[in-house]
Amino acid sequence: AQSVSQHNHHVILSEAASLELGCNYSYGGTVNLFWYVQYPGQHLQLLLKYFSGDPLVKGIKGFEAEFIKSKFSFNLRKPSVQWSDTAEYFCAVNGLPANQAGTALIFGKGTTLSVSS
Amino acid sequence: KAGVTQTPRYLIKTRGQQVTLSCSPISGHRSVSWYQQTPGQGLQFLFEYFSETQRNKGNFPGRFSGRQFSNSRSEMNVSTLELGDSALYLCASSKNRGMNTEAFFGQGTRLTVV
Repeated sequence: AQSVSQHNHHVILSEAASLELGCNYSYGGTVNLFWYVQYPGQHLQLLLKYFSGDPLVKGIKGFEAEFIKSKFSFNLRKPSVQWSDTAEYFCAVNGLPANQAGTALIFGKGTTLSVSS
Repeated sequence: KAGVTQTPRYLIKTRGQQVTLSCSPISGHRSVSWYQQTPGQGLQFLFEYFSETQRNKGNFPGRFSGRQFSNSRSEMNVSTLELGDSALYLCASSKNRGMNTEAFFGQGTRLTVV
C-alpha cells in the first residue's frame, strides 16, 4: 500500500525565517503530488500540485515544492515565512495504480507550522 | 463560483445511532470523495463516487456507506455509530476522475459520538 511520510510534526519559526517541510512517498510509478494547507477553522486549500514536467512547481502565497523522483520526495519550501502562514500542512499523493486511476488521495500525517511575529 | 458545501457542519449523536452527511460538489464536478480526519489517524480516504457509482473504497468497515445522485450530490451514511467514529468528515469534489485532477475540499462535518 502507498504511504506518505511527513518528517516534521511541529515546526516553530520566527517571521522571515526560511521554511522547508519534508515529504516522502512510497509509490514508484507515475504520481500526482499535492501540498494542502489548513488554516485554523478553515477548509483544506490546495497550495500547489505536481502532475508532470518541470519538477520545481510554484504555488500560491510564495510557496514552491521540488519533485525529486529518485528520492521519492516532494518537499515544500518558502524563503521567508509570515505570521499568517501559521497552519497545518499536508502532503498528499494520488494513491492508486494507473489501471485503477481515481481521485483517492493518500495524505501524510501533517505538519503544524507556528510562526511567531 | 460556489465551493463544496457540506451539511450539517456539526452533529452530536449517541452510540448505536446512524447518521447521514451531505455534500454538494462544485457545479460541473462529477467526482466526489469522502475522507475522515482524526487527530490520531490523520486524513484517511473513505470512498469515491463518480457517475452515481462507487469507484474506490478505503479500508473502513461496512458501516460506512455512501451514494451519489444524478446531480452529483453525495451522501455518506454511518450506521451503528461507535465512539471512535467521532471525527471531521471531509468531502472533496473533482471535475473528473483519474490522474491530473485536483480535489477541492469542503469545510467538513464535525461528528461527535457520545
